[in-house]
Amino acid sequence: AQKVTQAQTEISVVEKEDVTLDCVYETRDTTYYLFWYKQPPSGELVFLIRRNSFDEQNEISGRYSWNFQKSTSSFNFTITASQVVDSAVYFCALSEANRDDKIIFGKGTRLHILP
Amino acid sequence: NAGVTQTPKFRILKIGQSMTLQCAQDMNHNYMYWYRQDPGMGLKLIYYSVGAGITDKGEVPNGYNVSRSTTEDFPLRLELAAPSQTSVYFCASSTGQDGTQYFGPGTRLLVL
Repeated sequence: AQKVTQAQTEISVVEKEDVTLDCVYETRDTTYYLFWYKQPPSGELVFLIRRNSFDEQNEISGRYSWNFQKSTSSFNFTITASQVVDSAVYFCALSEANRDDKIIFGKGTRLHILP
Repeated sequence: NAGVTQTPKFRILKIGQSMTLQCAQDMNHNYMYWYRQDPGMGLKLIYYSVGAGITDKGEVPNGYNVSRSTTEDFPLRLELAAPSQTSVYFCASSTGQDGTQYFGPGTRLLVL
């Protein structure tokens, strides 16, 4: 069965600190995609990254980085030098190949960046 | 490209009323989806479609209906609104090739 677990319900850090959001997933498929989406206070869902199951290279985009480890079924997201604009709910998600692109979302982690 | 658009942005319904939430995309995506997001929760799939004329149930389809007569449009129908349907509804689309879904801005629905 597919499952995405974001154990951190809510995190607060002071601006400029680094913060890591955890994501653990379960799937029986060998081919799948993992995602992170951001939902700022305005409510829209913003796509941040997609990673396929065959690519375990870590990725960095500016202050954002993602660590994918198949051995621990984790896809963690780190924000370096956090800023107030990073305050949002962050969702980790899983999509299995050949399943009509259906996505299973975690419950999200609400991140507060304090000035 | 406008991407995925949804109307209305906000609506209040009385119990038992019906309404249609509109969703349109201009990216020529074959796949479209409807989700609901309850407070403090992730998104749950209501219905989806892999092409015009084809629809299928998701995780929480009860109380909803969909149709897909064109590639661009994917309306969601609530026939007899209930308080349990108070939620934010998101429409999304994808190419069906790499799993990435692109979301509309959402419709906030309040059923009283």
